[in-house]
Amino acid sequence: TQLLEQSPQFLSIQEGENLTVYCNSSSVFSSLQWYRQEPGEGPVLLVTVVTGGEVKKLKRLTFQFGDARKDSSLHITAAQPGDTGLYLCAGATGGTSYGKLTFGQGTILTVHP
Amino acid sequence: KAGVTQTPRYLIKTRGQQVTLSCSPISGHRSVSWYQQTPGQGLQFLFEYFSETQRNKGNFPGRFSGRQFSNSRSEMNVSTLELGDSALYLCASSFDTGITEAFFGQGTRLTVV
Repeated sequence: TQLLEQSPQFLSIQEGENLTVYCNSSSVFSSLQWYRQEPGEGPVLLVTVVTGGEVKKLKRLTFQFGDARKDSSLHITAAQPGDTGLYLCAGATGGTSYGKLTFGQGTILTVHP
Repeated sequence: KAGVTQTPRYLIKTRGQQVTLSCSPISGHRSVSWYQQTPGQGLQFLFEYFSETQRNKGNFPGRFSGRQFSNSRSEMNVSTLELGDSALYLCASSFDTGITEAFFGQGTRLTVV
């Protein structure tokens, strides 16, 4: 059974601060996605990382996939209130695990003005 | 390009009843997955369909079933509802390029009373 440990579970910061969310596993993933979810809505895909060591940037968000493809991080620079939400990492193992993503428990981020 | 559409958005059912949820994937996407999201368990994989065939299944009882039609639309059925089935049910569609990059609908909030 693949597990994704996501930390921290809760993050409450002031506008302008930086933060990092971590996603760790003992399993190797063929790809890893990061999602952001608003209350009562479905998760929205932010990024997909595929190659070990890969770094992707999306404006103030930086995503990194570990060299061994077992862990990932999301770094937000100068957080804004609009960044508030639930952040989820999800890994795919490929092969015959068709359509199955293993999700972390999520990080609830609150950015105060 | 229209996103994933789930209907209905909200449902209230009585224990013992059955329910059918519907999902229309993004045009061109042939893979449809279903997830259950609860505060305690997070997002858990139910099953995945591709070309009208179930290719993968999570660890849920047989009361949870699904099907996919020739136009890739999918339905999910839960029979003999239990209070613990109350959750946000999410449908995700993928192009199935080998990277499980899932795009989610807004979900159906099911409340069992």
